[in-house]
Amino acid sequence: DAGITQSPRHKVTETGTPVTLRCHQTENHRYMYWYRQDPGHGLRLIHYSYGVKDTDKGEVSDGYSVSRSKTEDFLLTLESATSSQTSVYFCASQGRLPSYGYTFGSGTRLTVV
Amino acid sequence: GEDVEQSLFLSVREGDSSVINCTYTDSSSTYLYWYKQEPGAGLQLLTYIFSNMDMKQDQRLTVLLNKKDKHLSLRIADTQTGDSAIYFCAEWDNYGQNFVFGPGTRLSVLP
Repeated sequence: DAGITQSPRHKVTETGTPVTLRCHQTENHRYMYWYRQDPGHGLRLIHYSYGVKDTDKGEVSDGYSVSRSKTEDFLLTLESATSSQTSVYFCASQGRLPSYGYTFGSGTRLTVV
Repeated sequence: GEDVEQSLFLSVREGDSSVINCTYTDSSSTYLYWYKQEPGAGLQLLTYIFSNMDMKQDQRLTVLLNKKDKHLSLRIADTQTGDSAIYFCAEWDNYGQNFVFGPGTRLSVLP
């Protein structure tokens, strides 16, 4: 299927454990993004990538790292999960502006207990 | 940095018009967007407007832009229950090459 798939869709993990969320796109888009969504905050940018092995930090990058070894895959790692990282995580890729904007995945709901 | 603000909630009756408002701070934004999020799903692009336009109409959707006041609005005509969702205003950050989103307005459509 075209578009973006995220895995897992739901995850519960314990404080202090590392967690990796996966994003796979079939659009051949150069730019990819990880956002977190929290009530009252909308979407906040964690990290983004502008090409293979090229990444940069967003607004709320502390405690997160990313990797992009192939155009189609963008991984988000929580190095040592904390309860404040309980959130819904969205991956997006950027199509040609202005008509296409972002293509979003369906999200990963992460709960840190 | 850039900031986008929206009211958090709006309730309307089915068949009425809905108006969702947004203010933004980056006067250099080239494009301004509206996204829709249905429960359990990612955001979907609804519409966008160039910063040199005042208005854009797309079927039941009308986008108005007041660049002087940095105010954007989305009007949904003949609102239906299927329009119940969260609507996000977003500006394109040319420098950061990413979208900056508002907090989202939850639209509830009452029968």
